[in-house]
Amino acid sequence: EVQLVESGGGLVQPGGSLRLSCAASGFTFSSYWMTWVRQAPGKGLEWVADIDQDGSEKYYVDSVKGRFTISRDNAKNSLYLQMNSLRAEDTAVYYCARESNRRTECWGQGTLVTVSS
Amino acid sequence: EIVLTQSPATLSLSPGERATLSCRASQSVSSHLAWYQQRPGQAPRLLIYGASIRATGIPARFSGSGSGTDFTLTISSLEPEDFAVYYCHQRSNWPITFGPGTKVDIK
Repeated sequence: EVQLVESGGGLVQPGGSLRLSCAASGFTFSSYWMTWVRQAPGKGLEWVADIDQDGSEKYYVDSVKGRFTISRDNAKNSLYLQMNSLRAEDTAVYYCARESNRRTECWGQGTLVTVSS
Repeated sequence: EIVLTQSPATLSLSPGERATLSCRASQSVSSHLAWYQQRPGQAPRLLIYGASIRATGIPARFSGSGSGTDFTLTISSLEPEDFAVYYCHQRSNWPITFGPGTKVDIK
């Protein structure tokens, strides 16, 4: 069974940093693109970042470029999102998900990040 | 950036009725359009990809159609568990985008 389990969310002050992790199991992690998607409270879905199978290609939404970094460790079956210079508008549930053939087909349950003083 | 517009914002229907949801893209996404269902407190669930292909385990009452810029998700006969928010999503070009969602609620 495919499982994606996010961790690392919590309360952080504006300007602070947080690193999210996503532990993958039940599939060959190194064979898939992976993605982060977020959802602000009561709002819709927003794509955040993509990474290819070996980490050589990365894409970001404009609002996080230069502040967030997506990475992966295929030996540990893990995906990461390093978030720096956090702002109130980054407050959201962050989902990690698996990509395949232009579809986001498997999602974790999400981890909540709250940016507030 | 490809902007996805969904209509209506809210659809109020009764169980057993047919639901028709629309998604329009600001430029062609070919068939690289997916639909997701999200129930309160849950992660999104993939329903349709490639504009018209049902994902594994998705009931036949869900169907998708369209290509280019105009897409439709149809639920042929609403079940109680279908009352949720539905998002369209394009992976034709970066930046990847989602529509704002259509809420299907009980009339």
